[in-house]
Amino acid sequence: QSVLTQPPSASGTPGQRVTISCSGSSSNIGSNYVYWYQQLPGTAPKLLIHSNNQRPSGVPDRFSGSKSGTSASLAISGLRSEDEADYYCAAWDDSLSALVFGGGTKLTVL
Amino acid sequence: QVQLVESGGGAVQPGRSLRLSCVASGFSFSGYGMHWVRQAPGKGLEWVAVISYDGNKKDYADSVKGRFTISRDNSKNTLYLQINSLRAEDTAVYYCAKTFFIAGAPGYWGQGTLVTVSS
Repeated sequence: QSVLTQPPSASGTPGQRVTISCSGSSSNIGSNYVYWYQQLPGTAPKLLIHSNNQRPSGVPDRFSGSKSGTSASLAISGLRSEDEADYYCAAWDDSLSALVFGGGTKLTVL
Repeated sequence: QVQLVESGGGAVQPGRSLRLSCVASGFSFSGYGMHWVRQAPGKGLEWVAVISYDGNKKDYADSVKGRFTISRDNSKNTLYLQINSLRAEDTAVYYCAKTFFIAGAPGYWGQGTLVTVSS
């Protein structure tokens, strides 16, 4: 059971906009930055969003992050087939003194 | 460019020990915190441990506390993870990752090394 809660799956058609939610608590998302990672099949995770809504250099602006209270979300607009991957949210948890991840969301591009 | 290369994984029997290494290049290693994160086959990401840029602060997941030790040698640009009393549930790909800022969550990940615990 993950500390951060994500839907196990999401899907969309090419060109669509999809959002993936991440729910936590006051000790993690509520008081710390949220990060989002993309993991393509058979590869290492890649940072997509840091500090709730900032994209590292090289990440397309089709990817955006937001946070409100103890929840966060990742939005992907103009969906492409190459976006098919697992997506994870993460945040530091002050109560656990640990980095916590969501269980991951498998995105399927139909 | 940033490179993180893990090594030391392999097949090991339950109860034995293993030391994983992660050699860093392409950035100022001594200026960043470093994480270990693992992923069991077909499962999600599980954070294992983090060490501060200077090695003075370490935190561990409850699931590994007392068995795993994270350390670093800034003179060798190398991160380590000592794993003792290995269990079947430790079977996973182990990734090392540098923090995005001086501290915080991972920003760049290595390709991982597979540890398989089986008799």
